[in-house]
Amino acid sequence: GEDVEQSLFLSVREGDSSVINCTYTDSSSTYLYWYKQEPGAGLQLLTYIFSNMDMKQDQRLTVLLNKKDKHLSLRIADTQTGDSAIYFCAAMDTGRRALTFGSGTRLQVQP
Amino acid sequence: DTEVTQTPKHLVMGMTNKKSLKCEQHMGHRAMYWYKQKAKKPPELMFVYSYEKLSINESVPSRFSPECPNSSLLNLHLHALQPEDSALYLCASSLLLEDEQFFGPGTRLTVL
Repeated sequence: GEDVEQSLFLSVREGDSSVINCTYTDSSSTYLYWYKQEPGAGLQLLTYIFSNMDMKQDQRLTVLLNKKDKHLSLRIADTQTGDSAIYFCAAMDTGRRALTFGSGTRLQVQP
Repeated sequence: DTEVTQTPKHLVMGMTNKKSLKCEQHMGHRAMYWYKQKAKKPPELMFVYSYEKLSINESVPSRFSPECPNSSLLNLHLHALQPEDSALYLCASSLLLEDEQFFGPGTRLTVL
């Protein structure tokens, strides 16, 4: 089955760029997702990328996909204090037809 | 309507109680999901419904009983829970299986 890994913590200063990294194991994953979770809340879908793309940009968010290395990253430009949250990478496990989540990266933005 | 709603927001129950969690969406999605999330952990999949039929049961104990009475509504019936079942229960929906999933705000469950 799919295995998804992320680093646990990232701290940046307000205005800097943040880069959150993720690796996955199932090369047949069709879609890869980034979700944001604020304390006590549900998961908000931020963006996703199809496996035949290598980059997707959506306002301050840029997703890069290296399919050969099975590496996904989320870059947040001009990071704001409101971006402080846990960010989950998720991959579609094509065998189970279900999402597998990484452990989440806590992003702390210092004013 | 572009959201998934969940009720109640918070629930406290004793180990002998029976309660239900409710999830609703009006986006025409045909797949609905229950996840359990413990503190500082990712969501764990519990059940998946596709076209109102149970598609995945991740070996969840029988004290959790899902129900999908129609394409917009998903329930999770709870009975004889244990304190370790205390968690945030998240509902999600997607247009079809393998499409992007949209999550509700969750129900924070505490079992005493």
